[in-house]
Amino acid sequence: QKEVEQNSGPLSVPEGAIASLNCTYSDRGSQSFFWYRQYSGKSPELIMSIYSNGDKEDGRFTAQLNKASQYVSLLIRDSQPSDSATYLCAVDSGNTPLVFGKGTRLSVIA
Amino acid sequence: ETGVTQTPRHLVMGMTNKKSLKCEQHLGHNAMYWYKQSAKKPLELMFVYSLEERVENNSVPSRFSPECPNSSHLFLHLHTLQPEDSALYLCASSQDPTGGLEETQYFGPGTRLLVL
Repeated sequence: QKEVEQNSGPLSVPEGAIASLNCTYSDRGSQSFFWYRQYSGKSPELIMSIYSNGDKEDGRFTAQLNKASQYVSLLIRDSQPSDSATYLCAVDSGNTPLVFGKGTRLSVIA
Repeated sequence: ETGVTQTPRHLVMGMTNKKSLKCEQHLGHNAMYWYKQSAKKPLELMFVYSLEERVENNSVPSRFSPECPNSSHLFLHLHTLQPEDSALYLCASSQDPTGGLEETQYFGPGTRLLVL
């Protein structure tokens, strides 16, 4: 069974710090990786997608992918209280819908 | 309207009621999904439709009945639900359910369901 693992948290970081969110996946054939942000009581919204090994940056967000280690991470620089949310990692293993992790709850403390 | 819309946003129903949730996507996508999200639990995929054909049904009880009349609309018909069915029901759509960039899913705002 294809699995996506995330620490549930909460991960607490002070305002202005770097928040690091991690995700591991079981299917070595996975090709596409997504990070979603979900505020309490709201629906998930896509933050970033990554397909190749290495880093992908978008504003304060950087996604990192290491297929050999089956590991994908999301870094949030200069964390703001408004970044406090649950972050969902999703993995595409081909021919099946996305598999979502349980999410990591991030709390940015002012 | 743009994106993925869902109605109603909130629903309270008794165990003997019949109700329907509606989802509409304005993105020109070919695949639509129903998810259930209970409090403090991960997203649970319920149904997947691709070009109006059901391609996945994750052992969902028969009291949930999906309907996809066309690629833009998706319904979830509810009858004789149980209190444990209370949850946030999310609809999503993507260009293609089978992989890659086109599998990026976009979610609607959800329907918060309470079964009494």
